[in-house]
Amino acid sequence: AQKITQTQPGMFVQEKEAVTLDCTYDTSDPSYGLFWYKQPSSGEMIFLIYQGSYDQQNATEGRYSLNFQKARKSANLVISASQLGDSAMYFCAMREGGHSSASKIIFGSGTRLSIRP
Amino acid sequence: DGGITQSPKYLFRKEGQNVTLSCEQNLNHDAMYWYRQDPGQGLRLIYYSQIVNDFQKGDIAEGYSVSREKKESFPLTVTSAQKNPTAFYLCASSPGLAGGPNTQYFGPGTRLTVL
Repeated sequence: AQKITQTQPGMFVQEKEAVTLDCTYDTSDPSYGLFWYKQPSSGEMIFLIYQGSYDQQNATEGRYSLNFQKARKSANLVISASQLGDSAMYFCAMREGGHSSASKIIFGSGTRLSIRP
Repeated sequence: DGGITQSPKYLFRKEGQNVTLSCEQNLNHDAMYWYRQDPGQGLRLIYYSQIVNDFQKGDIAEGYSVSREKKESFPLTVTSAQKNPTAFYLCASSPGLAGGPNTQYFGPGTRLTVL
């Protein structure tokens, strides 16, 4: 069975510092995809970054990067130079099956990130 | 602008009433999804549809029903059989089997409160 674990319920970080949000996953499928979403207080889920299990390089999108350690089954999100607007809930999610798979995805319980000015 | 719309943003319902939540997308996506989120929790899948006129139950389908008569629309009905319907409901869509990672994109959500 799929499982996504986010062990940090909440984090406080000083503005302009880098922050790492942890995510570990469990799957027996060799093909899978990992996602990170941001949920601000408005409630909308905003897609941040994607990593495929066969991707050779860690995914990056602007200030977001994904530290993908396949052997450890971890997919930590790194936010560089944090900003006040980064304060939100962050969810890690996984889909079993390769690209274009229509399989459903499951979400972790989330980490609440608070940026201090 | 392309995107996903959900209406209404806030919805109040009396116990015993059915209520339908709207979800429309103009992204030309094949797949659509409904999730429920309770306070401080992650998202749980209610129903999903990979193509018009077809849909599958998710993890918590009991007390809910859906239809997919048009590609753009995937309404969710919360029936009186749903014992604890007060929650935040999120609709999402994804390209489906067209290629790429099949990333899901979300609407702004509907907050349902049962009085």
